[in-house]
Amino acid sequence: GENVEQHPSTLSVQEGDSAVIKCTYSDSASNYFPWYKQELGKGPQLIIDIRSNVGEKKDQRIAVTLNKTAKHFSLHITETQPEDSAVYFCAATSQFLRGADGLTFGKGTHLIIQP
Amino acid sequence: DTAVSQTPKYLVTQMGNDKSIKCEQNLGHDTMYWYKQDSKKFLKIMFSYNNKELIINETVPNRFSPKSPDKAHLNLHINSLELGDSAVYFCASSQGQGVFYEQYFGPGTRLTVT
Repeated sequence: GENVEQHPSTLSVQEGDSAVIKCTYSDSASNYFPWYKQELGKGPQLIIDIRSNVGEKKDQRIAVTLNKTAKHFSLHITETQPEDSAVYFCAATSQFLRGADGLTFGKGTHLIIQP
Repeated sequence: DTAVSQTPKYLVTQMGNDKSIKCEQNLGHDTMYWYKQDSKKFLKIMFSYNNKELIINETVPNRFSPKSPDKAHLNLHINSLELGDSAVYFCASSQGQGVFYEQYFGPGTRLTVT
């Protein structure tokens, strides 16, 4: 099955600086890579995703890059703000898997934005 | 007007008891899920349920059973609770069954087994 490694487990950056979270996956069949943000006391929320037919996707201050050859994808947050503080999860899956076989999550990165 | 709601938010119980967690979604979605998040924040899917089709993660003990009275609800029943069941349980829903459909998560239920 799929195995997703996520680094770092904790990331502290100054407000206004950029943050980068990295993930690697093991299954070359995986072709969908979402990122989730979990705020304290809440459930995860999808913030951006990327499919394997593109190398980069951007949505305002957040962007995701994908290197299929290296089986590596990353989340980039620019001009960080206090409200970006949360736990971020990467995930990987194949469109050919369904339901309970679907998303495999990384272990999360606790992003701390220092004022 | 909460999209995905769960009750209770906190549940403290003793080993060996049987308990249930309720989940409701008002998004009109066809697929619902249960996830378990352990103390280290590791998030793992337990079940998905779509149009009466249940897909079970093979690692989930059969003490756990989801029950869906209708399309908007997917409750989680847990029998003979064990200490290792302590975790936060999240319900989620999506419009369809494929992985490309965004999953909307509930606020979670923190289960503590003593």
